[in-house]
Amino acid sequence: ETGVTQTPRHLVMGMTNKKSLKCEQHLGHNAMYWYKQSAKKPLELMFVYNFKEQTENNSVPSRFSPECPNSSHLFLHLHTLQPEDSALYLCASSQEAGGWTYDGELFFGEGSRLTVL
Amino acid sequence: GESVGLHLPTLSVQEGDNSIINCAYSNSASDYFIWYKQESGKGPQFIIDIRSNMDKRQGQRVTVLLNKTVKHLSLQIAATQPGDSAVYFCAENPRYSGGGADGLTFGKGTHLIIQP
Repeated sequence: ETGVTQTPRHLVMGMTNKKSLKCEQHLGHNAMYWYKQSAKKPLELMFVYNFKEQTENNSVPSRFSPECPNSSHLFLHLHTLQPEDSALYLCASSQEAGGWTYDGELFFGEGSRLTVL
Repeated sequence: GESVGLHLPTLSVQEGDNSIINCAYSNSASDYFIWYKQESGKGPQFIIDIRSNMDKRQGQRVTVLLNKTVKHLSLQIAATQPGDSAVYFCAENPRYSGGGADGLTFGKGTHLIIQP
């Protein structure tokens, strides 16, 4: 059983819809992440939150809007998406982001499979 | 350009044999490397890591080898079992970004298939 829970597991939406992905971690971590996983492409880091503050936005289009109300919860708000945004969206957490300690262990959720029609 | 990549997209091995999954990197500033395993329908899971001051590290049934001269990383799995069937990703972290998880760059992955 994972310590990072994502909902919904599957989502189909039209290009004009507004939906949200939710992530919750029960590990007491202070950093949370959104990654995009597309077929035959490496994992793409989208956003990083450290102690509820956004520390990285990896040139993500504004149709993706993250929200981190506290260190345990992370949302990804979606609006006016394109078909090429169809992918598996993975949430992850770690003890902290940044810093100078060799701790690259990310704890991933099972992902939300998004299909944009 | 800088990249983290795997030599083969798919690797098929017989159950009980040893598996070797390779990864090449081009960023000479890479200082820290990690292997992740992703089973079907699940998120990636940390397997083992290694810092650039080491050339070998062992875990339970897994060994990671690092050859900094040729910028090559490999993951060896001993006595492969059906549960090892998954996609394996290497990831690197350049020293200028510290060692935090937010500095990781992932490769595309190798799909390990276990033949009975």
